[in-house]
Amino acid sequence: KNQVEQSPQSLIILEGKNCTLQCNYTVSPFSNLRWYKQDTGRGPVSLTIMTFSENTKSNGRYTATLDADTKQSSLHITASQLSDSASYICVVTDRGSTLGRLYFGRGTQLTVWP
Amino acid sequence: EADIYQTPRYLVIGTGKKITLECSQTMGHDKMYWYQQDPGMELHLIHYSYGVNSTEKGDLSSESTVSRIRTEHFPLTLESARPSHTSQYLCASSDTPNRTSGSPTPTDTQYFGPGTRLTVL
Repeated sequence: KNQVEQSPQSLIILEGKNCTLQCNYTVSPFSNLRWYKQDTGRGPVSLTIMTFSENTKSNGRYTATLDADTKQSSLHITASQLSDSASYICVVTDRGSTLGRLYFGRGTQLTVWP
Repeated sequence: EADIYQTPRYLVIGTGKKITLECSQTMGHDKMYWYQQDPGMELHLIHYSYGVNSTEKGDLSSESTVSRIRTEHFPLTLESARPSHTSQYLCASSDTPNRTSGSPTPTDTQYFGPGTRLTVL
């Protein structure tokens, strides 16, 4: 069964600190992995996307890593800001389907305190 | 910022009412999607479309229906709303990438609208 598991479920950090969010998946065959940021009451916005040949991708203070062998990914946030408070969702695409079916994790709810 | 819009943003209605959730995108994307999301849970695909006059049901069974008469427009309709339909509904669109770009696999990113929060009393 194709699944995407994220940890932790929720995380509280102080402004300026770093944090790392984890994503494990069983989706096969693998096409690509995306990290989305979803602000409360809004739709998800893509942060990074990685194919099987990429093992790291940065977008400003966000750095994603991918280990396709162990089927793990992480999202590292550097020097957190209050605006980073959101849900971060790991999404894996199934290469085997015509649609390019997406499998969503439940997200990690990050809260940044001043 | 993606050019995909949803209306209304919030809707509170009584049981039995017929409602239509609107979704429009101005990016010319051929694929469009509807997802349902409950708090703290993953998104579930309920409908998708490859293009005009193409609609398919997604993974999650839904009593809603969709239509795709125009490329930019993908409305979702509930003929008779019930409290179990209370949820957040997210619309998304994507385009098939240029396969001559050299990328080994498709990377068609889905762009999401802001969502409609539906409450059925």
